[in-house]
Amino acid sequence: GQQVMQIPQYQHVQEGEDFTTYCNSSTTLSNIQWYKQRPGGHPVFLIQLVKSGEVKKQKRLTFQFGEAKKNSSLHITATQTTDVGTYFCAGAGSYQLTFGKGTKLSVIP
Amino acid sequence: NAGVTQTPKFQVLKTGQSMTLQCAQDMNHEYMSWYRQDPGMGLRLIHYSVGAGITDQGEVPNGYNVSRSTTEDFPLRLLSAAPSQTSVYFCASSPRSERYIQYFGAGTRLSVL
Repeated sequence: GQQVMQIPQYQHVQEGEDFTTYCNSSTTLSNIQWYKQRPGGHPVFLIQLVKSGEVKKQKRLTFQFGEAKKNSSLHITATQTTDVGTYFCAGAGSYQLTFGKGTKLSVIP
Repeated sequence: NAGVTQTPKFQVLKTGQSMTLQCAQDMNHEYMSWYRQDPGMGLRLIHYSVGAGITDQGEVPNGYNVSRSTTEDFPLRLLSAAPSQTSVYFCASSPRSERYIQYFGAGTRLSVL
């Protein structure tokens, strides 16, 4: 079945540093989504990418979808303490969503 | 709108007990899903429904039953709880127009002793 790998599993950064998490699928995806889960909270939808090579920005967050629609990345510029949490990618294949295991981001003030 | 409401928030069971985790949404979404989240494992799909009266299995369905008699409600039943079912359970819904965008409830934290 479809597998979605996400790296790194953990990332500790100093406040103000950049952060990137990567997502790779074993199969071509119809779309990919990104979610953020704050500690003790529930996943919250951030964005959906549909087109090959698509790049979307949300303030300090930049999302990319690979040309082959098998990989994606989330980049945060100048991290802040409010960015703390776990970031999940989720790939849409034939009918179901498959979530990556997430990247847990810690920000040191 | 309340969105997706899950009850209870916390539950402790003994091995072999049964219980139902409730999930209700007021957004008139056609699709609903149940996930479990374990440390280091991400979110794994248990069961999902594409509409009232229609359900299907996800990645980890064993030990769980679901039914969907109305658009709003999608309960998850544990027939005979086992310690391996200790987890955080999330219910999610999505509209037909954006079926992959999941709107999650606050979750139920379940411990099976």
